[in-house]
Amino acid sequence: KAGVTQTPRYLIKTRGQQVTLSCSPISGHRSVSWYQQTPGQGLQFLFEYFSETQRNKGNFPGRFSGRQFSNSRSEMNVSTLELGDSALYLCASSSVMAGGPRELFFGEGSRLTVL
Amino acid sequence: GENVEQHPSTLSVQEGDSAVIKCTYSDSASNYFPWYKQELGKGPQLIIDIRSNVGEKKDQRIAVTLNKTAKHFSLHITETQPEDSAVYFCAASRTAGTALIFGKGTTLSVSS
Repeated sequence: KAGVTQTPRYLIKTRGQQVTLSCSPISGHRSVSWYQQTPGQGLQFLFEYFSETQRNKGNFPGRFSGRQFSNSRSEMNVSTLELGDSALYLCASSSVMAGGPRELFFGEGSRLTVL
Repeated sequence: GENVEQHPSTLSVQEGDSAVIKCTYSDSASNYFPWYKQELGKGPQLIIDIRSNVGEKKDQRIAVTLNKTAKHFSLHITETQPEDSAVYFCAASRTAGTALIFGKGTTLSVSS
């Protein structure tokens, strides 16, 4: 079974530009979450999508947005990039089960550098 | 807001020794506590988790303990091996959703 696939793996942008990152979840997983990882702040929750609907959102400015498609693939977008947006962006997928939280399966991440 | 404190930030042990990582959470409504291992260049991978109705859980060389009264939970790795070297993250969440609050991580180095 293929794992979570994130593209692109590396990218460099300049301040003020925007970026779109893509995530393909494990087949059959309908929940996709996004996390930002930086040396200073660690892993921080951005948002979660389930069946094309944003189900939960972390404490990030409106420049960070996302969406999910009918095939469960997800994209996140960051507009008006700032230097502080440089980070590893991790996507995680999970199956849906009754009874509570499910294991998150993470991709290898998209490393964004903002110059 | 919700917060998870993790200690120590770095831990060096000799092969065969035990390693203990401790976390404290602030949200009393948290009831799910996973531990993730992240190797260089990879995404985090779940190694063990515990729910609030259980005080301890063990899986081979790895065990997790939970003290809900004190809002503490700990990861114990016995008979450490060089391949255990990685960054370990604790996390906490409420039942619904997957919005995990992560600790800042512990870099474990196991020398042979």
